[in-house]
Amino acid sequence: DAGVIQSPRHEVTEMGQEVTLRCKPISGHDYLFWYRQTMMRGLELLIYFNNNVPIDDSGMPEDRFSAKMPNASFSTLKIQPSEPRDSAVYFCASTTGLDNQPQHFGDGTRLSIL
Amino acid sequence: AQTVTQSQPEMSVQEAETVTLSCTYDTSESDYYLFWYKQPPSRQMILVIRQEAYKQQNATENRFSVNFQKAAKSFSLKISDSQLGDAAMYFCAYRRRNRDDKIIFGKGTRLHILP
Repeated sequence: DAGVIQSPRHEVTEMGQEVTLRCKPISGHDYLFWYRQTMMRGLELLIYFNNNVPIDDSGMPEDRFSAKMPNASFSTLKIQPSEPRDSAVYFCASTTGLDNQPQHFGDGTRLSIL
Repeated sequence: AQTVTQSQPEMSVQEAETVTLSCTYDTSESDYYLFWYKQPPSRQMILVIRQEAYKQQNATENRFSVNFQKAAKSFSLKISDSQLGDAAMYFCAYRRRNRDDKIIFGKGTRLHILP
């Protein structure tokens, strides 16, 4: 079975540009999560969805960040405009929501803002 | 608010030896799950082991086992017969049960395996 698929794997862009990160969750999973990982702050939950609806976006750093889930098989995390401090690895994860099931993570997108 | 603390930023162990990674957490809930995730240099997040708080028996997965002390809110990971492939960042994580699906991660412990 395919796992969580993220694209791109690496992204390098100049500050001020719009960045779009993509995620395809595991088929049948009802929950989707976006995380950011940095050396200083570790793994931070940015936002999560249940049945395509955003449930908790309290981790989204500021208005420059937005996330959408137009259908059960696709989600995007957008940063506009990007800043150097947004450089991090961004992970997407999904799970069934059944009580004892863990989250399955994608391979992450390493984002570098110059 | 729930928090997860890993007090050892880095650890080293000789190949074939045993190592224990510490984790403590803070919660007012009585029912929850605890996890250890492994993140090797490839960057993948891999679930190593999970523990249900209502189970007294410590979880075990091959060379990996936990010491779950609910009263002390402690959840350590023991790796026996350490192998070079165990070198990774290890994250302890907490999730409430029957509430929402947010996982709270510790800051991680980087484990080095010495040949």
